Amino acid sequence: GAGVSQSPSNKVTEKGKDVELRCDPISGHTALYWYRQSLGQGLEFLIYFQGNSAPDKSGLPSDRFSAERTGGSVSTLTIQRTQQEDSAVYLCASSWTANTEAFFGQGTRLTVV
Amino acid sequence: RKEVEQDPGPFNVPEGATVAFNCTYSNSASQSFFWYRQDCRKEPKLLMSVYSSGNEDGRFTAQLNRASQYISLLIRDSKLSDSATYLCVVNRIGGFKTIFGAGTRLFVKA
Repeated sequence: GAGVSQSPSNKVTEKGKDVELRCDPISGHTALYWYRQSLGQGLEFLIYFQGNSAPDKSGLPSDRFSAERTGGSVSTLTIQRTQQEDSAVYLCASSWTANTEAFFGQGTRLTVV
Repeated sequence: RKEVEQDPGPFNVPEGATVAFNCTYSNSASQSFFWYRQDCRKEPKLLMSVYSSGNEDGRFTAQLNRASQYISLLIRDSKLSDSATYLCVVNRIGGFKTIFGAGTRLFVKA
């Protein structure tokens, strides 16, 4: 596709369940980012992938959060044992390299009930 | 202290007004700078990059002051369609991180 694609667009899950969020970046983009945005708040950095380098995981809020990027393309963000405070919009972005424009997907709206 | 800080807003201005947003950053190793725009319940999109010499795109002017570690965005002749949240973005290399400011909400009213 032409842009960054995220799925699902909406996810409602019960507290304690695990969820997987998917991001398909723009083809050829080496950098991929995950951010989280709570209602009315700014973007919170979660994790960054750049090529084959070790990811920058410094923004992950707890060990319940993990992410991987397979084959330098698709990325999956996994949240284990979800809590209500995990409810937010999870945004994925990709860019050619670290310092170039980041293109965002439309996000996954996660609601933990 | 946050690494990137913005005017909290909201800014409420009439159509035709000139409005300016400031953003300060704390890490002197910051390398590149952008302004993004985010409409309600939408994803952020690039508005403009910020170059050291300053740059202009129509009604929008962005400036960078490395010595004082701030960037600014000036919007002239505000339109109703300019109503959005404006996000300041700072990149640094070496222990990469792209940091978004919390955003400044702008309301332009008729």
